[in-house]
Amino acid sequence: DQQVKQNSPSLSVQEGRISILNCDYTNSMFDYFLWYKKYPAEGPTFLISISSIKDKNEDGRFTVFLNKSAKHLSLHIVPSQPGDSAVYFCAASADGGSNYKLTFGKGTLLTVNP
Amino acid sequence: DVKVTQSSRYLVKRTGEKVFLECVQDMDHENMFWYRQDPGLGLRLIYFSYDVKMKEKGDIPEGYSVSREKKERFSLILESASTNQTSMYLCASSRLGQAPGNQPQHFGDGTRLSIL
Repeated sequence: DQQVKQNSPSLSVQEGRISILNCDYTNSMFDYFLWYKKYPAEGPTFLISISSIKDKNEDGRFTVFLNKSAKHLSLHIVPSQPGDSAVYFCAASADGGSNYKLTFGKGTLLTVNP
Repeated sequence: DVKVTQSSRYLVKRTGEKVFLECVQDMDHENMFWYRQDPGLGLRLIYFSYDVKMKEKGDIPEGYSVSREKKERFSLILESASTNQTSMYLCASSRLGQAPGNQPQHFGDGTRLSIL
């Protein structure tokens, strides 16, 4: 049973435009959500996170939106740059305390074309 | 900067062999994790450890064991390697904190393991 779903395996956008990556989850116990970026031959790197008590978190060009009622979150990248081309993983955690276990989605390959 | 180092980038072993994958972190993190990444399946948690000599099973622990004798080192062991364990293995560490978003996991660059 896949608890974190990224239904788009790939996304292609033009440089300068907005990239929107989507993620759905089924476990209502999840209360913390993270996005990781992964380049080929490297480990994933943490990008941005959001707690379930918020509906938006922004960090520079990256904004994550959370819709708890729909169990949906999205990552917006504005403006998109060729260096953003990577696989993006959505991850979720239950128990906002010291629980450390993350459940990852399958990832979305973003390609930003110059 | 946090540094998570995996001992090998590429490894080729034969079925039935006992395989050790090593991971070291230099930031005194309490938590350490082992994942495998497969095409179309994302990252799946194999085992994690929140303290020396402590371990807990993740989502896919079958065929694997782990060892954490020192805080900075977390080893993944394939007791008797099989071809379906051919994969990219990723180690991660994090500080025990109030929320995983405040204490994100930091990953190594992975070990691509092939079992022939």
